[in-house]
Amino acid sequence: SFELTQPLSVSVALGKTARITCGGNNIANKNVHWYQQRPGQAPMLVIYRNSNRPSGIPERISGSNSGNTATLTISSAQAGDEADYYCQVWDSNTGVFGGGTELTVL
Amino acid sequence: QVQLVESGGGVVQPGRSLRLSCAASGFTFRSYAMHWVRQAPGKGLEWVALILYDGSNQYYADSVKGRFTISRDNSKNTLYLQMNSLRAEDTAVYYCARDGGYGAIYYMDVWGKGTTVTVSS
Repeated sequence: SFELTQPLSVSVALGKTARITCGGNNIANKNVHWYQQRPGQAPMLVIYRNSNRPSGIPERISGSNSGNTATLTISSAQAGDEADYYCQVWDSNTGVFGGGTELTVL
Repeated sequence: QVQLVESGGGVVQPGRSLRLSCAASGFTFRSYAMHWVRQAPGKGLEWVALILYDGSNQYYADSVKGRFTISRDNSKNTLYLQMNSLRAEDTAVYYCARDGGYGAIYYMDVWGKGTTVTVSS
């Protein structure tokens, strides 16, 4: 089965840029989606099909996918960005999530 | 507005059954595939099951295959998850989610708030 690897945690200074990676074998051949989950809340879609933002998601949140790594980039990080972030793909008729990354804004 | 509301969670003994429901509103339910996703306490997200818009096909995670059944009633705008032979490791918050609707590129664009299932004797 397809595996997605995320760092357990990422820290970023207030106002700086955070990058959260999602590794998988030739992941560039797949569509990667990203979810944000704030403490005590349900997940929320922030990026779909590698780099598309749903309505209401700010432009400072972006996604890319190349080679063996997909990346979620959060520019001008704010306190409200503190959350867990999950990548997800569809593979062999199965949904697959990465293990999740806790983003801390310092 | 688009809304998904799960219900049916609770405490159940190992080996017993439980049925979850998800009431959809604010969109044309019959046009969308639907997912169940769960999250064990302190753990990450785990995809559970998908059902296509018309109920013609269902897909399951290996961890629940043969024990769980996803179904839908488009006349009632409701999604279901029948859970049989429950195990302690099925303890989780169960989320209902709408599929993003890009054909076979399956992802979850709207989520409910979840319902908690605890399997314990």
